Amino acid sequence: EVQLLESGGGLVQPGGSLRLSCAASGFTFSRYTMSWVRQTPGKGLEWVSAMSGSGDATYYADSVKGRFTISRDNSKKTLYLQMNSLRVEDTALYYCAKPLGYGSGQGFDYWGQGTLVTVSS
Amino acid sequence: DIQMTQSPSTLSASVGDRVTSACRASQSIGTYLNWYQQKPGEAPKLLIYAASSLQSGVPSRFSGSGSGTDFTLTISSLQPEDFATYYCQQSHSTPYNFGQGTKLEIK
Repeated sequence: EVQLLESGGGLVQPGGSLRLSCAASGFTFSRYTMSWVRQTPGKGLEWVSAMSGSGDATYYADSVKGRFTISRDNSKKTLYLQMNSLRVEDTALYYCAKPLGYGSGQGFDYWGQGTLVTVSS
Repeated sequence: DIQMTQSPSTLSASVGDRVTSACRASQSIGTYLNWYQQKPGEAPKLLIYAASSLQSGVPSRFSGSGSGTDFTLTISSLQPEDFATYYCQQSHSTPYNFGQGTKLEIK
């Protein structure tokens, strides 16, 4: 059974940092381009970042480029999101998402339960 | 970046109704279009991928159509469990933007 378990969220002041983790199981993690997607409370979905299975390609939304860094450890089947210079508008529920196929071109068939990041003074 | 626009924002319907939700891309995305259903407190659920392919386990009353820039999600006969918010998403190129959602409400 595919499972994605996010952790690392919490309350942080503007300008602070957090590192999110997503522990994966039930599939060959290293073959999949994995993504982070966030959802502002009561609002819509925003794709944040993705990393290829081998880790040699990374992609970012303009809103986080230069502040967030995606990484992965395939030996631990874990995806990470290092978030620096956090802003109030980064407050959201952050999901880890697995694509249906090895790339991201077929949508996300599995999502974690999300980890809540709150940026506030 | 490719922008996704959904309409309507809210749709009121009754059990048994046939409903459609539209999604428009700001440029051609071929059939790289996915539809999700989200209920309060839950993660999104993939319904349709590649514009018209039904995800495994999804009831056949859900269908998708379209290519290029215009896409449609159709529910042929609404069931009580279908009242939720529906999002489209393009997976043609990063950033993989989502539409703003269509909230399906009980009339």
